[in-house]
Amino acid sequence: DSGVTQTPKHLITATGQRVTLRCSPRSGDLSVYWYQQSLDQGLQFLIQYYNGEERAKGNILERFSAQQFPDLHSELNLSSLELGDSALYFCASRNWRTGELFFGEGSRLTVL
Amino acid sequence: EDKVVQSPLSLVVHEGDTVTLNCSYEVTNFRSLLWYKQEKKAPTFLFMLTSSGIEKKSGRLSSILDKKELFSILNITATQTGDSAVYLCAVSKGEGAQKLVFGQGTRLTINP
Repeated sequence: DSGVTQTPKHLITATGQRVTLRCSPRSGDLSVYWYQQSLDQGLQFLIQYYNGEERAKGNILERFSAQQFPDLHSELNLSSLELGDSALYFCASRNWRTGELFFGEGSRLTVL
Repeated sequence: EDKVVQSPLSLVVHEGDTVTLNCSYEVTNFRSLLWYKQEKKAPTFLFMLTSSGIEKKSGRLSSILDKKELFSILNITATQTGDSAVYLCAVSKGEGAQKLVFGQGTRLTINP
């Protein structure tokens, strides 16, 4: 158990819909990273927050948005869903002393 | 554009063999290189490398970084079936090492 909690574990929805994925970082970690992993693809960096502020942005679509709340949990919002958005979405938090990134178990999104 | 390229993409060997996985990178503002193992779901941390030429070891796994030639290798000796996984290389970059860029991974299969 990495200490990073993601919900839901699985989500099936239809094209055009909107979903929210939730992540709680490890106790004491201030940063949250979001990654997308499609079938047989590597991890694509989406966005990173540190203590409530956006710090780095990757190839995140305009239909996607995220935020980190004062209690440090983060939400990734995916809207106007397309078939190609089906993927495993990982959240991770980082121990800045060691540099290690701890991953949650992921949220598997299926868009039908 | 930042690039992290892993090779081979897939490798099948027999139990007991030694394998070497490669990771080359082209990123601006390099900070560190990390190796992860991904079995079924969440990637788990193996190593973080920041200095050239210093080998890191953990049991049968070892890794080294060459910052001049911009690559790293991950060695696994006396492989076991439990080593079967996707091995991911990631490069940390940017001010405060905020952004992590992942390679596409090497799928390693160990046959008994």
